Amino acid sequence: SYVLTQPPSVSVAPGQTARITCGGDNIGRKSVHWYQQKPGQAPVMVVYDDTDRPSGIPERFSGSNFGGTATLTITRVEAGDEADYHCQVWDGSSVAYVFGTGTRVTVL
Amino acid sequence: QLHLQESGPGLVKPSETLSLSCTVSGGSVGSSSYQWGWFRQPPGKGLEWIGSVYYTGTTYNNPSLKSRLSMSVDTSKNQFSLELTSVSAADTAVYYCARGPQNPYSSGWLDYWGQGNLVTVSS
Repeated sequence: SYVLTQPPSVSVAPGQTARITCGGDNIGRKSVHWYQQKPGQAPVMVVYDDTDRPSGIPERFSGSNFGGTATLTITRVEAGDEADYHCQVWDGSSVAYVFGTGTRVTVL
Repeated sequence: QLHLQESGPGLVKPSETLSLSCTVSGGSVGSSSYQWGWFRQPPGKGLEWIGSVYYTGTTYNNPSLKSRLSMSVDTSKNQFSLELTSVSAADTAVYYCARGPQNPYSSGWLDYWGQGNLVTVSS
């Protein structure tokens, strides 16, 4: 089965930039989606199809997928961005939704 | 605005069947543009896909759960449902329902999620 790997944690000071990586075999051939999940809440999609933002998501959230790694970038980090972030793909080979291991972003 | 709401018991005994429903408002489970999925998250762990169902009743299942899993759609109630048999403590999790595209092979995002339903398996 397909595996997505994320760093367990990322720490960032307010106003700085956080980068969360997501690795998987030939991930550049897949569409990667990102979700923000605050404690006790459901996931919220913040980036889809590698780079697109749903309506209502701040421009501070952006995504990329090249060089074998997908990345979620949060610029001008705020205290309210503190959450778990999950990457996700559809794996056609196993016919399954696959999630990354999740990254906890801590705002210092 | 689409809204999904899970409903079901919060406590299930070991070896019994876990049953959950997801009621959709602001949209139709009978739409041919979407599929409807179930996901779960054990305490302190990551997200896991359980399975997805189309309005036709066609299902896609997580192979690790396939033998215990049943899903259905009720367009008259605008609901879709999940049954997981022979549960154990390992099935303790927050269960979410969510909407995905009709063809996840082109782009398998999940744009709307329910708030989640904590199910504890314990005697």
